[in-house]
This record gives sequence, structure tokens and C-alpha cells, in this order.
Amino acid sequence: GAGVSQSPRYKVAKRGQDVALRCDPISGHVSLFWYQQALGQGPEFLTYFQNEAQLDKSGLPSDRFFAERPEGSVSTLKIQRTQQEDSAVYLCASRRWGVDTEAFFGQGTRLTVV
Amino acid sequence: GENVEQHPSTLSVQEGDSAVIKCTYSDSASNYFPWYKQELGKRPQLIIDIRSNVGEKKDQRIAVTLNKTAKHFSLHITETQPEDSAVYFCAASRGTDKLIFGTGTRLQVFP
Repeated sequence: GAGVSQSPRYKVAKRGQDVALRCDPISGHVSLFWYQQALGQGPEFLTYFQNEAQLDKSGLPSDRFFAERPEGSVSTLKIQRTQQEDSAVYLCASRRWGVDTEAFFGQGTRLTVV
Repeated sequence: GENVEQHPSTLSVQEGDSAVIKCTYSDSASNYFPWYKQELGKRPQLIIDIRSNVGEKKDQRIAVTLNKTAKHFSLHITETQPEDSAVYFCAASRGTDKLIFGTGTRLQVFP
């Protein structure tokens, strides 16, 4: 595709609801990253996939957060029992294989928990 | 853990002046240092990057310098224009690993 695509662009969830956020990386990009960006802050790392393998999930804030990339392409970030503090923009980025390659970001999903 | 500090948090300049944003990183194994520009409500977009084997890189009005010994890198924008107004983020990573971002600098260029 032309770029990294995320859906939905906006999501309003009631506290306690489960949500699923989707990321379509650039075709052929091996590495996929999820970031959380609170208002006025820099992107905070959540998790990293290389193909279908989740190599680093050290940034996931709690066990309510789960990410998968079963076929090494599309990825889903799931948040269970959403809390108000989960409100943020969730950004996905992908990189092709190789050292020091550019990370391309999607538009993000703005999650608001009410 | 890995950390990237960025200063200043806000920067206001007159059109035509230069702007400098500075970052320091903690992981001495970091070898890739990109700078992203993010306009309100939009995705971060790469404006320039530098690898650890290079001390300086320039692209038209934008330049980045890297001091590996001090673990500092800086973004320099010359002849600023109103369309340069945005939030700028520095980042650092090692190899193909995750990018660690700074907290951002809101740049305002006044006509």
C-alpha cells in the first residue's frame, strides 16, 4: 500500500469496554511497532514485532493490553476493560528490514474512554 | 532503561531566524537518530536522520549534528518559515530495535 494505515481513526469507548485497533503496515515491512501518544507528549513505545514474532512487549502498561500479528502483516492492538488513563492516540509504525531504516507512521487511532 | 531528553519544550522565533533543538540519549549502543515533525492531528513524519558513523548531515535548511562521546545530537533549522511551525521529536534506536522518543519541542515561527 501507499503507507501505514490504521483503523478506526477515532474510537470512543465506555470504561470497561474492550477495544481492538488495527494496523496495516507498508507491504513487505518486516518490523512493526505500536506506540502510545498522550496529549502533548512524545510517542511511548508499547511493543515490537519482527514478522509474526513479538520480540519486545516491555512497554505494554498492563496485562489488559495485548498485541498480535499472526501472519506477519496486519497487527491488532487489543485493550481489555478500558480505563480513562488509556485515552491517547495509538500510533503504529513499520520499517523494512535493515539497519537504521526509516520508520513510517500511520495516522493513529485516537481512543477516548468515557 | 533507555531515555532521550529533549530541550527546549517550546521555542518561538521570528521568521528568518534559526532554531536549534537539542537531545541527549542514555543508551551508548544507539546508532540511529531520526528527527520527526508532527503537525497537529497528523502523523509524525521523518525530516532528517543521522547514523552513528557520521557527525553532521545537512538537507537544505535542516541540519543535524551528533556527538557520540557526549551522547548529544541537535537539530538546526535555518531561515525559518511559518510552515516550519510544528512539534519536533528526536529519537534514538540501536539497529532495527524500537525508537525511543524525546518529549517534543513545540516550534512557533512568527511572520
